[in-house]
Amino acid sequence: EDQVTQSPEALRLQEGESSSLNCSYTVSGLRGLFWYRQDPGKGPEFLFTLYSAGEEKEKERLKATLTKKESFLHITAPKPEDSATYLCAVRTDYGGATNKLIFGTGTLLAVQP
Amino acid sequence: DGGITQSPKYLFRKEGQNVTLSCEQNLNHDAMYWYRQDPGQGLRLIYYSQIVNDFQKGDIAEGYSVSREKKESFPLTVTSAQKNPTAFYLCASMVTSGGPQETQYFGPGTRLLVL
Repeated sequence: EDQVTQSPEALRLQEGESSSLNCSYTVSGLRGLFWYRQDPGKGPEFLFTLYSAGEEKEKERLKATLTKKESFLHITAPKPEDSATYLCAVRTDYGGATNKLIFGTGTLLAVQP
Repeated sequence: DGGITQSPKYLFRKEGQNVTLSCEQNLNHDAMYWYRQDPGQGLRLIYYSQIVNDFQKGDIAEGYSVSREKKESFPLTVTSAQKNPTAFYLCASMVTSGGPQETQYFGPGTRLLVL
């Protein structure tokens, strides 16, 4: 069964303290791994798409990497405004045009000043 | 501005009542999706549509219904058969022509509460 697991469930950092969030997946055929940021009471905001092992994407203090089994979202010198829930999702190769995503449960990040 | 709009932001449902959540997009995306989000759980797919006048059940379709009469619109009805409707509902859309544009973009969400 296709599955996406995110860890940790929650992470508290001091401002400037770098860390990483993990997204591990078991899918039959990966067609893309997506990272989103979600603020309380709002819809998820798209951050990155990664398609193949070894690929990396960066945006400000965030860097996403991908291996054959997992993805990491590295946060360098975080600021309080980086506090949010970070969601990971995968799109698998079902052989048909289903275009569905499977989501993890998210990591709640709190950055304290 | 291009984007996805959902209305209302908050919706209250009485026992035995059907309610409809609106989702509109002006991104010219072919595919549209409805998700339900509960605390501590990942987004769960309710229904999706890849083309006008066609839609498929997702993982938790019981107690919900949809229609796709226009490319821009994908309303979700929460029927009285849905016994636990309190949740945050998210609509998403995606272009399906291939390439890096194939990303789901989300609306701002509707919070449904039961009176």
